[in-house]
Order: sequence, then structure tokens, then C-alpha cells
Amino acid sequence: DTGVSQNPRHKITKRGQNVTFRCDPISEHNRLYWYRQTLGQGPEFLTYFQNEAQLEKSRLLSDRFSAERPKGSFSTLEIQRTEQGDSAMYLCASSFRHTEAFFGQGTRLTVV
Amino acid sequence: SQQGEEDPQALSIQEGENATMNCSYKTSINNLQWYRQNSGRGLVHLILIRSNEREKHSGRLRVTLDTSKKSSSLLITASRAADTASYFCATASDTGRRALTFGSGTRLQVQP
Repeated sequence: DTGVSQNPRHKITKRGQNVTFRCDPISEHNRLYWYRQTLGQGPEFLTYFQNEAQLEKSRLLSDRFSAERPKGSFSTLEIQRTEQGDSAMYLCASSFRHTEAFFGQGTRLTVV
Repeated sequence: SQQGEEDPQALSIQEGENATMNCSYKTSINNLQWYRQNSGRGLVHLILIRSNEREKHSGRLRVTLDTSKKSSSLLITASRAADTASYFCATASDTGRRALTFGSGTRLQVQP
């Protein structure tokens, strides 16, 4: 499968715990994006990488959130001290320059 | 914040009918893309139309773009029950943010 891969698919965590999600983009894509989606809403932009450089972060990305893309390959999104409001689907996408973005299946986070 | 706004929010039609969804946006764009999302799944790219294009076709899909009105429409002809999904437009700005900005989507229900 050469599409965008996200792991885990589901994560249930207790409030206050830290969680980390991984995204493996399509190999030749230099751009990688993280989005968050809640029920009935469109995806909301969180952050964007071009190669290993994090070029943009949304104001939605509080200081509890951090993302990395070492060596411009896979990316991780970490949420520290999770809150119930963090419960959502976290989507990763990749693209080559200004072309269509391909999305992974997402990681559904439930904070209890 | 959401840039593209889809209209209507929900649409229910009979199999075989055509479905039209509209999208309005606010800023200057490089391209506009339409995505489909089945319940609880990732987004699937449908079609990309560049700012210098006015119409594009792909199978049963027809997309138009009017940059003077900052609007786009997606037409699905001869709809099928399998077309039931949420449809989102997403814009790629030609300045500033390089990530896609999504609208809140149109939920299409095709009755068999």
C-alpha cells in the first residue's frame, strides 16, 4: 500500500495523559499536513511541513501540541496533558507542491 | 477558520438524479479541490481545478469555478446510492497559507 498511513487508527486515553500519533506520507511527497476534524465539521488545519521544515502552525495548535518531521519523512504529532476537548479525528495528508493532497484514514482520539 | 463554505449543508436525492453542491470562498486562490468523505473515514480527492480554469470533468463529476464570484460548484450526474457521503471543497491560497483550507461540507444522501 503506497498511500498515506496513520497509526494508531484509534486511541483512547485518560485525561492528562500524553499521546503520540504517527503519519507516513507518500514517499515522493515533500509536503505534509496535519488536520483535526470533529463530528459534522470540515477538517481544521493544524500544521504544515515542507520537507523537514515546519512552515506554518495554526493558532489551534496550543503549546500542548507539538509536531515533528525528522529527515523530511514520517511525522509525529504529540499532545501533552490531553483534555476532553482534544477528542477528535486527527488527519494527516501529503502532497507534492501545490497539487492534490492525499489523506490517511486518520487517528480517532477519545479522551475519557 | 473555514474559508470555503458549502451550500447546501445537507442534500437528499433519489438514485439517478443529479446532485449539485456549491462552495464559496473569500481569498485569492491558486486552485480549488473537492474531496469526498465516507462516514468515519479519511478524505478522498475527487478533482482539482486551477484558478485559470473554468470547468473540469471527471467521469460523472463536473466542477465549475468562477473566480470573479469566488465560487465553485460540483455536479454529480446520475447519482448512485454509493455516492452517499460528505463532500468538501478546499482552497489552496496563492499567497500566505500553503495548506488547504476546508469548508464545513455538504452531506449527500442518495436514496436507492
